[in-house]
Amino acid sequence: QSALTQPASVSGSPGQSITISCTGTSGDVGHYNYVSWYQQLPGKAPKVMIYEVSNRPSGVSYRFSGSKSGNTASLTISGLQSEDEGNYYCSSYTTSDNVLFGGGTRLTVL
Amino acid sequence: QVQLVQSGSELKKPGASVKVSCKASGYRFTTMSVTWVRQAPGQGLEWLGWINTATGGPTYAQGFTGRFVFSLDTSVSTAYLQISSLEADDTAVYYCAREVLRLDYWGQGTLVTVSS
Repeated sequence: QSALTQPASVSGSPGQSITISCTGTSGDVGHYNYVSWYQQLPGKAPKVMIYEVSNRPSGVSYRFSGSKSGNTASLTISGLQSEDEGNYYCSSYTTSDNVLFGGGTRLTVL
Repeated sequence: QVQLVQSGSELKKPGASVKVSCKASGYRFTTMSVTWVRQAPGQGLEWLGWINTATGGPTYAQGFTGRFVFSLDTSVSTAYLQISSLEADDTAVYYCAREVLRLDYWGQGTLVTVSS
């Protein structure tokens, strides 16, 4: 199975909003509402920011939101801050009882 | 508080085996599965699979059957990842994480380096 498709990089200025896409197939993103998003800061373990497409864990800023349309899920970060800079990964459960990660997107705050 | 603490870095020769441990605390170990993920240097996350801590039943990602084995010792709330016949391409940071569909707590990672 191939990884989910994410843009390699996105950038934005402080205060702006950015959106990261995550494209899969009808066998993963399009089939289940089990899409999660993870933030990984340099040298750190990943941290879940969104689960089940649009749910935010306790303690995660309201500036992070998730959505899905068809085979594509999206993570939106509003009011961009310098501390948001890092790598972001999506993941999805699949009909093969596996989980796929996206290739990752590097977010740069200009 | 919930914690997953992994064993330390390993340096192994090609063909050798390695066993990484992941000790859980702060919750009832057998109520939540443990997932294994790896990250090669400068690369993205790769899902290896998960183990049901209530039954001990593993689920492996495609391409990770055979050399990769998940196991448990529930008496000490610890999950293990054993990799045999190590190859240079297995060089990576290996993470354990709690749960399957929402990896809400992660270990600190264990660097496994395979080099002659």
